[in-house]
Amino acid sequence: KAGVTQTPRYLIKTRGQQVTLSCSPISGHRSVSWYQQTPGQGLQFLFEYFSETQRNKGNFPGRFSGRQFSNSRSEMNVSTLELGDSALYLCASSLGKTVGEQFFGPGTRLTVL
Amino acid sequence: GENVEQHPSTLSVQEGDSAVIKCTYSDSASNYFPWYKQELGKRPQLIIDIRSNVGEKKDQRIAVTLNKTAKHFSLHITETQPEDSAVYFCAASPAGGYQKVTFGTGTKLQVIP
Repeated sequence: KAGVTQTPRYLIKTRGQQVTLSCSPISGHRSVSWYQQTPGQGLQFLFEYFSETQRNKGNFPGRFSGRQFSNSRSEMNVSTLELGDSALYLCASSLGKTVGEQFFGPGTRLTVL
Repeated sequence: GENVEQHPSTLSVQEGDSAVIKCTYSDSASNYFPWYKQELGKRPQLIIDIRSNVGEKKDQRIAVTLNKTAKHFSLHITETQPEDSAVYFCAASPAGGYQKVTFGTGTKLQVIP
């Protein structure tokens, strides 16, 4: 099976702009989670989608949003970018029926100037 | 919400020695505890996980122990090898089909040849 893929791999934006990141899960996986990874903060949970519905949300401002399509592909959007949004954004997919192993994508490195 | 603390943040061991990483969690409802390994520049990958109905689990040189009463769990790596050098993340997740995984801040393990 093909692994989790994310596009784009690198992004450079300026403050105030918005950005959309994409994640394609492993075939058959219905759950997609998004994480922000920064040095010293580890992986911080953004949100999780299952069958096109947001099931869980972390403690991030409303500028961070997402959605999931019927083919389980997911997008994450960040509006009004701030310097502090610079990070590696990882998505992870899982079967979703019960909590279990997550398979991570390679991440999108976002730099906000 | 759940809070996972992980110690130490860095750990150096000689090749062949053992390494122990410890984590505590706050939410007594958590019952799934995975450990992920992230090599430099790569995506996190699950190395072992444990559920709350089990006190210990082993997989070759890796073992995880769980003490639900004290709300802590640990990763043990024996006979460490240079390829064990990586950042290790513990995590906790509540019961049910929800992938709401809270990660610790990571331990950078360096195995010195």
